[in-house]
Parts: sequence; C-alpha cells; structure tokens
Amino acid sequence: DAKTTQPPSMDCAEGRAANLPCNHSTISGNEYVYWYRQIHSQGPQYIIHGLKNNETNEMASLIITEDRKSSTLILPHATLRDTAVYYCIATPYGGATNKLIFGTGTLLAVQP
Amino acid sequence: DAGVTQSPTHLIKTRGQQVTLRCSPKSGHDTVSWYQQALGQGPQFIFQYYEEEERQRGNFPDRFSGHQFPNYSSELNVNALLLGDSALYLCASSPTGNEQFFGPGTRLTVL
Repeated sequence: DAKTTQPPSMDCAEGRAANLPCNHSTISGNEYVYWYRQIHSQGPQYIIHGLKNNETNEMASLIITEDRKSSTLILPHATLRDTAVYYCIATPYGGATNKLIFGTGTLLAVQP
Repeated sequence: DAGVTQSPTHLIKTRGQQVTLRCSPKSGHDTVSWYQQALGQGPQFIFQYYEEEERQRGNFPDRFSGHQFPNYSSELNVNALLLGDSALYLCASSPTGNEQFFGPGTRLTVL
C-alpha cells in the first residue's frame, strides 16, 4: 500500500471551507484514495473515496491531481462538529477486501 | 438499521490474563476486520474475517486470534495480556467491494 503524508494539524473557521491535503506520490494505478475521519472517542467514519476523477457526496468533495500524486479533501462549510482527525489512505481495489493502513492523520480544529 | 456494535465498551484486565471482545456487523455485511488503536496513534490492522476464515493478517503475534460465526459476528481473543495491549479495539464491517463501517470500539486497559 502506498504511504500517505498529511500535515499533523490544521485550523479552520466555522462556516468556511476546510481544505485538507494529502500526498501519496508512490500510489499505484490500482490504488484508490480513501478518506476517513475520527471524532474523539468514536470509531472512524468513512467520508469519500476516488480513483482518478474528482468525487463529491453529501459530506465532502475529493480533488485528485491528474498525476494522482496528491489529493485534497474539501469540507465546503465546516462546522464545529467537523472537528476530528482526518485520515487519508491509499489502498488497492475497493477498500473492503483489503486492510486499511492508517497514518497519524490531520487533526482539524474548527474554530467558532 | 443498527450499525456495527461492540461489547463490552470498557474492560480492565491484569497482565497474563485472557480477553474476548465481540463484534456484530452491520446488517448485510459479511466481512469483519479488527484494528488496534493505541493512544495518539492511528488504528493498526490486526486481521480480517470472511466466510468464517481469516483472510488477511497484520503484523500481530499469535496471541491475537479471532473467529467469525455463521451469522457474521466475530470475536477477538488476546491471550497472555501485556501492558502494551492496552488500547481501543475497533471492529469494522463491510459488504463485498465497499467501504468499511466502524463500531465504537472497546477500550481495554491492562494493569
């Protein structure tokens, strides 16, 4: 599985967009980019995933660069409840039949 | 529809003892994975079960073992507990080919 690199922490003002970067320069062609988040004392929560096209769902948008070496998770209107550790994971196939390799993630602090 | 459930929520054991943690997957999910999360770290993959067989295993010693039942629920067993086994143990379930859904975890403290 490709190694991912994320900043250890970021701040964001409530109501503004939060842009969380992830570097995965050694990603293989069959590896998807997955994003999970973990709110304090809870289990991780799936957010979104993508292979090479940009993706959007009700929670967030995922922008993957054309060379697939990096990506950005966008929370369009951050709220205090979005304060969490965000994990970027590169994994083969669909993610369910393979283990998830978590790094230390980015602690996003949404400020009022 | 109930999500992934785990029991117990908290557990205190002493060194050398054995522990069993339980997980019920989300309805319709046939794959169960277990993770260990030490304080301040990301979750680490222990193993994954599918069709009652261990399909993948992470870098954990044989003291960690598991089981999956015909109803897809699963158990994680840890023998000869060490202080370093203190952690949050997470169970995740998934339908084939889709993302993983995590339970709230079991907090294990080894004294």
